[in-house]
Amino acid sequence: SYELTQPPSVSVSPGQTARITCSGDALPKKYAYWYQQKSGQAPVLVIYEDSKRPSGIPERFSGSSSGTMATLTISGAQVEDEADYYCYSRDSSDNHKGVFGGGTKLTVL
Amino acid sequence: QVQLVESGGGVVQPRRSLRLSCAASGFTFSIYAMHWVRQAPGQGLEWVAVISYDATNKYYADSVKGRFTISRDNSKSTLYLQMNSLRTEDSAVYYCARDLYGGNSGVESWGQGTLVTVSS
Repeated sequence: SYELTQPPSVSVSPGQTARITCSGDALPKKYAYWYQQKSGQAPVLVIYEDSKRPSGIPERFSGSSSGTMATLTISGAQVEDEADYYCYSRDSSDNHKGVFGGGTKLTVL
Repeated sequence: QVQLVESGGGVVQPRRSLRLSCAASGFTFSIYAMHWVRQAPGQGLEWVAVISYDATNKYYADSVKGRFTISRDNSKSTLYLQMNSLRTEDSAVYYCARDLYGGNSGVESWGQGTLVTVSS
């Protein structure tokens, strides 16, 4: 079955740039989406269609995609950005199925 | 303001059935595709199913195909998930979520979830 691979954890100090990657064979042809999930809360969309930012999401969040890797970048990470981040895309062999990456725990301290 | 409120979760024995509902408000329900996504305790997100805006297309994760059925009632702005032949590994928080568009793209808005526990 198709998989999206993320690093289990990323750690940065406040004000530094955090980069979270998502690797998948179909990403050259499929959009990537990124979700932030804080402890005990529902996920929130922070990036859609590789690089678009929804209304209300701070400008420090940005996304990019190149080849088989999508990247979520948080420029000047803040303590309140500490959360789990998940990438999402569509199955390479069945375009109708969704797939989430395993998630990345971002620690900002 | 998009609002999605799930209900119907609870404790159920293996091999039994349960139906989840999701009441939508704050947007025109009938023009958006809708998803169910679940999260087992302490685990990551798992996409479960999607239904197009007009219910003509429905797709499922392999883990639930043949056991779960997604449906919607646009007149009631309500999404459903009928879960049959439940297994212990189906235990999770189930989120109702709205797609970005009418087809099947990405999840935009999420409910707060309803907990399903499958246990004897």
